[in-house]
Amino acid sequence: KNEVEQSPQNLTAQEGEFITINCSYSVGISALHWLQQHPGGGIVSLFMLSSGKKKHGRLIATINIQEKHSSLHITASHPRDSAVYICAVNRGSQGNLIFGKGTKLSVKP
Amino acid sequence: DTGVSQDPRHKITKRGQNVTFRCDPISEHNRLYWYRQTLGQGPEFLTYFQNEAQLEKSRLLSNRFSAERPKGSFSTLEIQRTEQGDSAMYLCASSLVQGRWMDTGELFFGEGSRLTVL
Repeated sequence: KNEVEQSPQNLTAQEGEFITINCSYSVGISALHWLQQHPGGGIVSLFMLSSGKKKHGRLIATINIQEKHSSLHITASHPRDSAVYICAVNRGSQGNLIFGKGTKLSVKP
Repeated sequence: DTGVSQDPRHKITKRGQNVTFRCDPISEHNRLYWYRQTLGQGPEFLTYFQNEAQLEKSRLLSNRFSAERPKGSFSTLEIQRTEQGDSAMYLCASSLVQGRWMDTGELFFGEGSRLTVL
């Protein structure tokens, strides 16, 4: 079993829908990252959080440390949100990240 | 552009050849990470540097792989005697970490170097 699991693996939505991507992890962490990867490979950091909730524009990330779970929400989804969303955790005992396999999101107009 | 840059973007080589990738991080960043990503998978950690010191190296990294960051600025990743299984996207990221060494800070990624071994 991977230390970081994401669900769903693939997600198709209609423009305007509210989207939730989930991330569960099995190790103690000091921080969790949400990343966005577009076709062609470029990765952009969306959020880094260790507790509570963060919001940036239409994106919201939450984390529950006790339940070892995080969610990424996209409100009023748009076709330009189509990308792979990756969850990654820092175990806190090492200075590097463990990545999930990603959730491929496709938003149809 | 002052982001993370990687070179080359694409490399096709024959099995057994050596290849070298270069990463230029954001200039004030002290951390530099190398990751490998294959199709349909998330990135896998290879190694990272704090300034010029290589602090950790993944067990995934065989002795055919070596990375350097000689002056704490750019880094190179060399793969010797390439194998078809080395075909992947090699990603570099940098960050600024102040304080706890086990933190990663917010990572800024390059566009990656795609390696194809024939």
